[in-house]
Amino acid sequence: SQTIHQWPATLVQPVGSPLSLECTVEGTSNPNLYWYRQAAGRGLQLLFYSVGIGQISSEVPQNLSASRPQDRQFILSSKKLLLSDSGFYLCAWGGPGTGGVYEQYFGPGTRLTVT
Amino acid sequence: QKEVEQNSGPLSVPEGAIASLNCTYSDRVSQSFFWYRQYSGKSPELIMSIYSNGDKEDGRFTAQLNKASQYVSLLIRDSQPSDSATYLCAVGFQKLVFGTGTRLLVSP
Repeated sequence: SQTIHQWPATLVQPVGSPLSLECTVEGTSNPNLYWYRQAAGRGLQLLFYSVGIGQISSEVPQNLSASRPQDRQFILSSKKLLLSDSGFYLCAWGGPGTGGVYEQYFGPGTRLTVT
Repeated sequence: QKEVEQNSGPLSVPEGAIASLNCTYSDRVSQSFFWYRQYSGKSPELIMSIYSNGDKEDGRFTAQLNKASQYVSLLIRDSQPSDSATYLCAVGFQKLVFGTGTRLLVSP
C-alpha cells in the first residue's frame, strides 16, 4: 500500500529565514505530487503540482518554490519567509485509487508558524 | 474562476441521526467529485469519490451527485460522535478545487 511522509511535523521559523519541507511517497511509481497550504480558517490552496521529475507547475505567485529531484520526493522551499507563509502545508499524491480511478491522498502535514 | 461552495456550519445532529452535507460547484465540465474528512489539527482523509450521476454508498456514507444542478452531497447515516469533523468537498480531476468545508458536530 502507498504511504506518504512529511517532515518536519511542526516548525517555527522567524521572518526572513529560509524554508525546506520534504515529502516522500512509498509504494507507488511516477505519482503526481502536490503541495497545498491551508491557512487558519481557510480552505486548501494548491501551490504546486508535479507530473514527473523536474516538472513543476506553480499555481499561485508567491515567494515559495518547489522541486522534484526524485520520482517520489517533493520539496517545498523558500529563501525568505513572510508572516503570511504561516499555515498547514500538505503534500498529496495522486494516482489510481480503489477501483482504478484517479484520487488524491494527503500526507500528515507540516504546521509552519512564522514569527 | 472555478468555485466550490459549502455551508461552513456547524451542522449539529444528535447521535444516530442522518447528517446531510451539501456542496455546489461552478465548473459544468467537472468530472470527479470527492469528500474528505478532516479532524481538527489533522490532514484530510479521502472518504468518498463519485463520478456518475446518482448515489454511491459505502458503509454509513452515501455520496449523491447531480451534474445538471451542479450539486454533490454526502449523507452520513447513524451519525456517531467520532464523525465530528470538518468535511471538505473537492471537484476536479488531476487538479482539485476544494470548498472551505462544513463543520459537523454529533452530540451523544
